[in-house]
Amino acid sequence: DAKTTQPTSMDCAEGRAANLPCNHSTISGNEYVYWYRQIHSQGPQYIIHGLKNNETNEMASLIITEDRKSSTLILPHATLRDTAVYYCIVRASNTGNQFYFGTGTSLTVIP
Amino acid sequence: ETGVTQTPRHLVMGMTNKKSLKCEQHLGHNAMYWYKQSAKKPLELMFVYSLEERVENNSVPSRFSPECPNSSHLFLHLHTLQPEDSALYLCASSQDPSARNTDTQYFGPGTRLTVL
Repeated sequence: DAKTTQPTSMDCAEGRAANLPCNHSTISGNEYVYWYRQIHSQGPQYIIHGLKNNETNEMASLIITEDRKSSTLILPHATLRDTAVYYCIVRASNTGNQFYFGTGTSLTVIP
Repeated sequence: ETGVTQTPRHLVMGMTNKKSLKCEQHLGHNAMYWYKQSAKKPLELMFVYSLEERVENNSVPSRFSPECPNSSHLFLHLHTLQPEDSALYLCASSQDPSARNTDTQYFGPGTRLTVL
């Protein structure tokens, strides 16, 4: 999988949009961008994934740059329950079945 | 709720004990996984079962023994563990592991294991 770089931590005010960046400058054409989050001591929760186009679901939006070298996960109205570690994962088809979770971004939503 | 349940949620065991972790998925998926998450470390894949057959084993010590009796249930049998095996053990499932780059894995809540 292509390596990803994320900020170690971020704060966001409750009710505001949380924009979590991820750099994946070595991404190749068949690699998807996945986002998961993990609330303390719980299992990772799938959020969203995409290849080229921007994606939106009930949880978040994923914005992928045209060159696909970076992406941004957007939580439109952050709540205290969104406090978690957010993982950006780039996944290829030739790397077995494992999702490689790096260190992620620790997002703290502040009241 | 992700449709993947794990029991027990917490387990404390001695090094000479034998215990089992259970995972059940209610999503109709064809593959199930065991991951280990130690403190301050990324998730490590332990075992993969696809259509009830083990397809991947990343050289996990033999004191961990998986069992997949059907596509909805997965067990991890534990015996003579060491204190360094204390970790969060996570189960996941997915629909089609052959579609690797688009096959989303859904995780259970995990079992927090402490080995004394």
